[in-house]
Amino acid sequence: KAGVTQTPRYLIKTRGQQVTLSCSPISGHRSVSWYQQTPGQGLQFLFEYFSETQRNKGNFPGRFSGRQFSNSRSEMNVSTLELGDSALYLCASSELLAGLGDTQYFGPGTRLTVL
Amino acid sequence: DAKTTQPTSMDCAEGRAANLPCNHSTISGNEYVYWYRQIHSQGPQYIIHGLKNNETNEMASLIITEDRKSSTLILPHATLRDTAVYYCIVRVQSGYSTLTFGKGTMLLVSP
Repeated sequence: KAGVTQTPRYLIKTRGQQVTLSCSPISGHRSVSWYQQTPGQGLQFLFEYFSETQRNKGNFPGRFSGRQFSNSRSEMNVSTLELGDSALYLCASSELLAGLGDTQYFGPGTRLTVL
Repeated sequence: DAKTTQPTSMDCAEGRAANLPCNHSTISGNEYVYWYRQIHSQGPQYIIHGLKNNETNEMASLIITEDRKSSTLILPHATLRDTAVYYCIVRVQSGYSTLTFGKGTMLLVSP
């Protein structure tokens, strides 16, 4: 099976702009989670989607949003970009098989630079 | 989820076994131990997980103490490509997939 894919891999934006990142999970995986990684804060959970519903959200401002489509693909959006939003954004998918746990598999990430 | 404590960094000679410890003294009975690693600027890679029995796969072995308060990830024959940050995560296998990452252990494998 192909792994988790994320597009684009690199992105440069300026303050005030908005950005949309895309994630395609492993085939058959219905849960998609997003994480932000910065040198100062490390890896932090943003939100998790399952069957097109956001089920869990981390401690991030409302400028960060996401959605999941019926084919389990997910997008996240950051509006009114700030310099501090420069980070590696990671997507992870899992099967969420009832009773068998849910190992997450990560994509390569999107490196966002805000100037 | 229980918190974990890992050494900040470790060194290992190429070809030798790398033993990475993790302390999780407040682990609950239904919490699993997961290990991931992250090679510089790449996405974290799943390695292995376990509940209370020792586990082995093609990448590594996981040894969990009988009281489950600590564990060790073993890379039997470390290579230069194993240089990475290794994260030990303790979590319940619930319907919610959140992973809480600490700072991990930076493993440097040298020739």
